Amino acid sequence: QSALTQPASLSGSPGQSITISCTGTTSDVGDYNYVSWYQQHPGKAPKLMIYDVINRPSGVSNRFSGSKSGNTASLTISGLQAEDEADYYCSSYTSSSTPCVFGTGTKVTVL
Amino acid sequence: QVQLQESGPGLVKPSETLSLTCTVSGGSITGYYWGWIRQPAGKGLEWIGRIYSSGTTNYNPSLKSRVTVSLDTSKNQFSLRLTSVTAADTAVYYCARAPLGVAGTASYFDFWGQGTLVTVSS
Repeated sequence: QSALTQPASLSGSPGQSITISCTGTTSDVGDYNYVSWYQQHPGKAPKLMIYDVINRPSGVSNRFSGSKSGNTASLTISGLQAEDEADYYCSSYTSSSTPCVFGTGTKVTVL
Repeated sequence: QVQLQESGPGLVKPSETLSLTCTVSGGSITGYYWGWIRQPAGKGLEWIGRIYSSGTTNYNPSLKSRVTVSLDTSKNQFSLRLTSVTAADTAVYYCARAPLGVAGTASYFDFWGQGTLVTVSS
């Protein structure tokens, strides 16, 4: 099972919006609405930001939103803030022999 | 609030067995999947395997022949064993909880341990 494809890095200025893409196949992202997103600051554990494509866990800012079209899921961060600078990983349920696959990760820099 | 804490040796010799335990506090092990994920330095996340509270397990095929995840409900703990380790197994190892979710897919991890670095070296 190959990792889902994410851009290696993205950047934006404070207040701007950025969108991180996560491309999979019809065996994962394309066929299931079970995409999740994690934020990871350096030296810290990942934190769940979005699950089941669009749902935000309690306590996660509504500046984070998720969507999906075909084999590509997206995480949008609106009103970018300095604290949003981190690595972001997507994940999807898959019908392959591994029930879960992670994305390659995207480093978000706030300029 | 559920908390998870990994414990185990930080240094393992090549060809030996890596053993880690995750202790769950603030909640029951029952009714959830419990998983292990690892991250080599500067690299991405790799899903290792998981166990349901009933004992059902799933493993990453790339590691399946070397991995065992087990559960001790009396201690609210679950464990990872990885045999015949090499330098490629050096990573930060995380334990995490996965709710069953829709259709029982347990497709996301909502609570994570802080992670523990395991180095494979002689």
